[in-house]
Amino acid sequence: EADIYQTPRYLVIGTGKKITLECSQTMGHDKMYWYQQDPGMELHLIHYSYGVNSTEKGDLSSESTVSRIRTEHFPLTLESARPSHTSQYLCASSEYGGGGTDTQYFGPGTRLTVL
Amino acid sequence: DQQVKQNSPSLSVQEGRISILNCDYTNSMFDYFLWYKKYPAEGPTFLISISSIKDKNEDGRFTVFLNKSAKHLSLHIVPSQPGDSAVYFCAATGSGTSYGKLTFGQGTILTVHP
Repeated sequence: EADIYQTPRYLVIGTGKKITLECSQTMGHDKMYWYQQDPGMELHLIHYSYGVNSTEKGDLSSESTVSRIRTEHFPLTLESARPSHTSQYLCASSEYGGGGTDTQYFGPGTRLTVL
Repeated sequence: DQQVKQNSPSLSVQEGRISILNCDYTNSMFDYFLWYKKYPAEGPTFLISISSIKDKNEDGRFTVFLNKSAKHLSLHIVPSQPGDSAVYFCAATGSGTSYGKLTFGQGTILTVHP
């Protein structure tokens, strides 16, 4: 069982508010990821990190930002939430499996609704 | 461009029977494949994986088959149980992907009837 946590699980917020979605893992994994998923759609990578002080944009453009100051913590921030940001946000982590065989373990997700 | 495709949006099977979920990919650089199970309002749970050096991997009731020439993989669940009802995602990555990026399919909703 993977130990990766996300808070809050659900968030309903008004347009223009600043929000931070928290993600923590206790497995000591170097790699962490943020995905966005809309209902009935595939997961899209929006941010990833190789380790402390390393962050990169994923395949799907996102107005959110991330930081990685500690190995176990990978928060995602939206400076000004909009209705188009309504989605489920999933955090994952992995350790290097060698030869590209990383297995990612996911947190429970945050369901964000922006009114 | 959808590099990983799950062409069946849904599948319904009777308890005790076999469930077969299919996945096709187009990127020949993919060499590691994973299946995840997802309940509503929860994160995906890792089920089973397979490397391209194998054509079959088994873990309890779950078996994944890989046909590299056809760029096709399938997940077999035998026997199916009502608790298996969930959305199943296949995902793929490649050794050439420096950060272990996963590309996901759209998912297949499996319903197992008692």
